[in-house]
Amino acid sequence: DAGVIQSPRHEVTEMGQEVTLRCKPISGHNSLFWYRQTMMRGLELLIYFNNNVPIDDSGMPEDRFSAKMPNASFSTLKIQPSEPRDSAVYFCASSLVQASEAFFGQGTRLTVV
Amino acid sequence: GESVGLHLPTLSVQEGDNSIINCAYSNSASDYFIWYKQESGKGPQFIIDIRSNMDKRQGQRVTVLLNKTVKHLSLQIAATQPGDSAVYFCAENMENAGNMLTFGGGTRLMVKP
Repeated sequence: DAGVIQSPRHEVTEMGQEVTLRCKPISGHNSLFWYRQTMMRGLELLIYFNNNVPIDDSGMPEDRFSAKMPNASFSTLKIQPSEPRDSAVYFCASSLVQASEAFFGQGTRLTVV
Repeated sequence: GESVGLHLPTLSVQEGDNSIINCAYSNSASDYFIWYKQESGKGPQFIIDIRSNMDKRQGQRVTVLLNKTVKHLSLQIAATQPGDSAVYFCAENMENAGNMLTFGGGTRLMVKP
């Protein structure tokens, strides 16, 4: 398996633009997580899905952030409109069953100017 | 993606020495713990895990110790190598919290040749 695949690897956008980050989890995994990593706050869980259903989105910063998982092999994290403070590395991770290790993708480095 | 930088605690060891990285967790209800390694430009990578019904688990060159009394977790790396240089995170999961992992702030390990 190729592991968790995220795209793009790097994204530079202007403030106010819409940004869409994409993730393909490991085949067969039934949980998917979106994390954000910054120097100031470390790794923060934004939202996670079980069997394509959002379970906990309490980490989503505000209404400008939304996430979807239309099927078991694809998820998106959208920021609209983007702001400079959204600049961070966004990781997607997937796992099997309860309380098991999560496998991370390589991340998307987002820069909003 | 780059990990938390300026404010990360740093452990510097000589190649060949043993390393001990510590982590304090906050939730006494946490029952599953994982150590992750994050190299520059990459996502966190699973190293070893331990459940709360154990106090020690060994892998290849790594040992995790769990002290539930003081809510402390440690990662021991034997014969540290330059390739071990990275940021190390502990993560905890609480029963009935689904697959949600909460990450610590991380420790940067630097191995001197």
